[in-house]
Amino acid sequence: DSGVTQTPKHLITATGQRVTLRCSPRSGDLSVYWYQQSLDQGLQFLIQYYNGEERAKGNILERFSAQQFPDLHSELNLSSLELGDSALYFCASSARTGGTDTQYFGPGTRLTVL
Amino acid sequence: AQSVTQLGSHVSVSEGALVLLRCNYSSSVPPYLFWYVQYPNQGLQLLLKYTSAATLVKGINGFEAEFKKSETSFHLTKPSAHMSDAAEYFCAVSDTSRGNQGGKLIFGQGTELSVKP
Repeated sequence: DSGVTQTPKHLITATGQRVTLRCSPRSGDLSVYWYQQSLDQGLQFLIQYYNGEERAKGNILERFSAQQFPDLHSELNLSSLELGDSALYFCASSARTGGTDTQYFGPGTRLTVL
Repeated sequence: AQSVTQLGSHVSVSEGALVLLRCNYSSSVPPYLFWYVQYPNQGLQLLLKYTSAATLVKGINGFEAEFKKSETSFHLTKPSAHMSDAAEYFCAVSDTSRGNQGGKLIFGQGTELSVKP
């Protein structure tokens, strides 16, 4: 158990819908990262928040947004869903920010768009 | 831009045999390198990381990796495979390029390890 929790574990929805994925980082960690894992793209970095502020952005679609709240939990919002958004979404957390910090991954949320 | 390449999407070994999973990196700055393991229906677990200290890094579950700058490699090894090692393994580099204030990981495509009895 990494100490990072993600809810829900599974999500099945229809095209055009909007969903929210939730992540609670390890106790004391200030950074939260979101990654998408799909068969065709592999593991791709989406976005990072550090102590409530956006720190780095990757290949995140405009239909997707995220935020980190004062209690440091984070939410990833996916809207106008398409079939291609079906994937495993991971949240990771680290103590600070920077290249040497170990990122601890949650169990993921499997999103299926029908 | 930094990147990693994992050679071989699937590796199969017999129980008790040497495990060798290959990873080559590309980076214009000293890299920070990681190996993660993903068991079926689970998240990623850190096996080990290289952050410019000792070039031979020992990790959990008997795995180790050696950083070789001349070969731009960071291959993962284990002397004797166990059935429980069957999983997918990911090599990653931390993006330390100029202008990046975060610590995002850039992953390879993964290598699935099968262990035959």
